[in-house]
Amino acid sequence: AQSVTQLDSHVSVSEGTPVLLRCNYSSSYSPSLFWYVQHPNKGLQLLLKYTSAATLVKGINGFEAEFKKSETSFHLTKPSAHMSDAAEYFCVVTPTQGAQKLVFGQGTRLTINP
Amino acid sequence: GAVVSQHPSRVICKSGTSVKIECRSLDFQATTMFWYRQFPKKSLMLMATSNEGSKATYEQGVEKDKFLINHASLTLSTLTVTSAHPEDSSFYICSARAGGKDTQYFGPGTRLTVL
Repeated sequence: AQSVTQLDSHVSVSEGTPVLLRCNYSSSYSPSLFWYVQHPNKGLQLLLKYTSAATLVKGINGFEAEFKKSETSFHLTKPSAHMSDAAEYFCVVTPTQGAQKLVFGQGTRLTINP
Repeated sequence: GAVVSQHPSRVICKSGTSVKIECRSLDFQATTMFWYRQFPKKSLMLMATSNEGSKATYEQGVEKDKFLINHASLTLSTLTVTSAHPEDSSFYICSARAGGKDTQYFGPGTRLTVL
């Protein structure tokens, strides 16, 4: 079985400072991991994904995430926050082999202070 | 690439009526489409999975007779909320996945309000 825990329901940072959104996963199989972003009243946009290639994954808008198997973590980072990064972020897991369903974390709301 | 559209983006209807929401993959063939429901400030809840040409598979607790899903082509799936009630008011999001791929691409969502 798969599960995802996003450790913070809300993160608030100042513009220009680093962002860290934490995610831990549990999976019986070698997982695929994703980060999606959702702006208010919008659908989800794929930021990046890990599928057993490089453990450091670079995504859009300057975001990146590192897959750490020993820690079962897939934290999302960005060196310098921008006001437009304010949104809801979801960490998502699915088994690599033959899976269809995504398992979502609870979401982390990112607030950027001017 | 990998664009998914939904129509309408927003719909208001009277209690007891039916509402159809369309989900289209614009630039790829979606062998599998998914329908989610999202409550305010909550994560997405998977309602059902549909494979083109097959009956949808519903998640536990989701009424298949109330939420009718059709996936008649590789680019179109529809969700019909039948005899809608105010408690059906929600944000409905679809996603689409190409065959053999693991990434789902999401539509922009449909805000349903039942009066």
